[in-house]
Amino acid sequence: DAKTTQPPSMDCAEGRAANLPCNHSTISGNEYVYWYRQIHSQGPQYIIHGLKNNETNEMASLIITEDRKSSTLILPHATLRDTAVYYCIAGRSNDYKLSFGAGTTVTVRA
Amino acid sequence: DTGVSQDPRHKITKRGQNVTFRCDPISEHNRLYWYRQTLGQGPEFLTYFQNEAQLEKSRLLSDRFSAERPKGSFSTLEIQRTEQGDSAMYLCASSRDRVLTDTQYFGPGTRLTVL
Repeated sequence: DAKTTQPPSMDCAEGRAANLPCNHSTISGNEYVYWYRQIHSQGPQYIIHGLKNNETNEMASLIITEDRKSSTLILPHATLRDTAVYYCIAGRSNDYKLSFGAGTTVTVRA
Repeated sequence: DTGVSQDPRHKITKRGQNVTFRCDPISEHNRLYWYRQTLGQGPEFLTYFQNEAQLEKSRLLSDRFSAERPKGSFSTLEIQRTEQGDSAMYLCASSRDRVLTDTQYFGPGTRLTVL
């Protein structure tokens, strides 16, 4: 699986958009980009995934660059409950295990 | 959908004792995974089951660790002769199918402390 690189931490203001970057410069053509988050003392929670096209769901948007070497997770209107560790993971669709890195600790401030 | 449940939520044991954790996956999910998470790190894959068959074990899973999933329902993870290095959060997840694009749903975890 391709290695992903994320900033260790970031702050954002409540009500503003949070843009979380992820670099995956060695990603292969059949590897997806997945995002999970983990709120303190809970198990990880799936957010979104994509291959080439941008994706949006009720939680977030995923923007993948045309060369697929990086992506950005966008939380459109961050709330205090979005404070969590966010993990960006690259993996093949026929794989079965998630390879988590250290993630980005996002703190949403009032 | 009642979610993935794990029991116990916390376990404190003395070095050398055996411990067993239980995971109940979402009922229609045929895939079940175990991960371990130490402080400040992301979860690390330990093993997974397709129904009752254990299809892969990570090198992290030493001989002191054993996992079972009888009848393809709940799963247990046993650690024999615990060591202080086993202290971690043990997470269970389940999914419907064999592909990664099928969302893995995680339980709340069992936090193990070995004294």
